[in-house]
Amino acid sequence: DAKTTQPPSMDCAEGRAANLPCNHSTISGNEYVYWYRQIHSQGPQYIIHGLKNNETNEMASLIITEDRKSSTLILPHATLRDTAVYYCIVRVANLIIQGAQKLVFGQGTRLTINP
Amino acid sequence: DAGVTQSPTHLIKTRGQQVTLRCSPKSGHDTVSWYQQALGQGPQFIFQYYEEEERQRGNFPDRFSGHQFPNYSSELNVNALLLGDSALYLCASSLAYLSPETQYFGPGTRLLVL
Repeated sequence: DAKTTQPPSMDCAEGRAANLPCNHSTISGNEYVYWYRQIHSQGPQYIIHGLKNNETNEMASLIITEDRKSSTLILPHATLRDTAVYYCIVRVANLIIQGAQKLVFGQGTRLTINP
Repeated sequence: DAGVTQSPTHLIKTRGQQVTLRCSPKSGHDTVSWYQQALGQGPQFIFQYYEEEERQRGNFPDRFSGHQFPNYSSELNVNALLLGDSALYLCASSLAYLSPETQYFGPGTRLLVL
């Protein structure tokens, strides 16, 4: 299983872009990078995922380096409601049973948005 | 379009008791995964159900068992509860034929074992 490394905590000013880094140096060619976030005591919320190209949706942008060993989640205009724990996950596939996959969560990055 | 729902929201049990947690997947989803999240930790995968069968299992003892019904809803059963089973139990649903499949989480059931 590819492992991810994230800083334990980060701060960002409200209205600024929040850039959350993730290292996944052992990622294999067919593994996707997924980002979830978890606001206190709620279930994790899906944000975005990508394979090797940069991706953007209404919530965030995902930048994956060319060698795929690291990525950055960008929240373009952070608000107080973006305060949460952000998890970077490299998706593990069960190669025996098609489609059976689990998410392996690390400790994540606790992002605090300051007014 | 209803998202993933779980019941109950909170539960208090005593050691040795048994508990059943329930999950209804997001509309149109056919796969349910269960996770346990201890305080201050990331969620840990328990098992996944598809076509009413357990497809993959994490490192959890046999005291943890599950079931999936024909309407794709699912139950998580934990027997002989231990204090260490106190956690937030999360259900996630997905659609099996999509590649990659994205899992969407419910709000969780918080279990306290006394």
